[in-house]
Amino acid sequence: AQTVTQSQPEMSVQEAETVTLSCTYDTSENNYYLFWYKQPPSRQMILVIRQEAYKQQNATENRFSVNFQKAAKSFSLKISDSQLGDTAMYFCARLRYSGSRLTFGEGTQLTVNP
Amino acid sequence: DTEVTQTPKHLVMGMTNKKSLKCEQHMGHRAMYWYKQKAKKPPELMFVYSYEKLSINESVPSRFSPECPNSSLLNLHLHALQPEDSALYLCASGKGANVLTFGAGSRLTVL
Repeated sequence: AQTVTQSQPEMSVQEAETVTLSCTYDTSENNYYLFWYKQPPSRQMILVIRQEAYKQQNATENRFSVNFQKAAKSFSLKISDSQLGDTAMYFCARLRYSGSRLTFGEGTQLTVNP
Repeated sequence: DTEVTQTPKHLVMGMTNKKSLKCEQHMGHRAMYWYKQKAKKPPELMFVYSYEKLSINESVPSRFSPECPNSSLLNLHLHALQPEDSALYLCASGKGANVLTFGAGSRLTVL
């Protein structure tokens, strides 16, 4: 089975500091998409950032950036200047290039402390 | 309009009831999805509709019956559910296959 692994069930960080969430995945394909979604207590799954595997440049969205290491099959999320509103469950996910099935990791619960 | 709207937000039903969950999007997306999510777990894919036709059924029990009346609407009909079916049901839509927009979910409790 092709899996996505998030090895940190829980993490915490102080407001304004930087935190990195790890994700590794397994795939036999060369082209695919990777995502980070956040799910706050409001339950809505919100897209944080997206990376296309054929692009070498790491994706960045404001305070959120990824470190994509294709050979190592690693896709970590860095959150800079953490804010209280970043408190949420974060899911890493992979999608085949021509597929419809998002494969999610087990999630990392991030708590930002004041 | 960049939202996926799900109703109801909460639903409590008995095992003999028939109810439906509704999902609506007006983004022109032609792929729509139902996911089931248990507490502190990732979403699990149930069904995928592509251009209003069922393209994926992840071996979901027949007590869950999806319906896509048009390109903007997706329903999930529920009948004779079990307590273990209690979960958050998430609807999502996508343009092509590479970005999904999720709704806020319907929290279902089966008594």
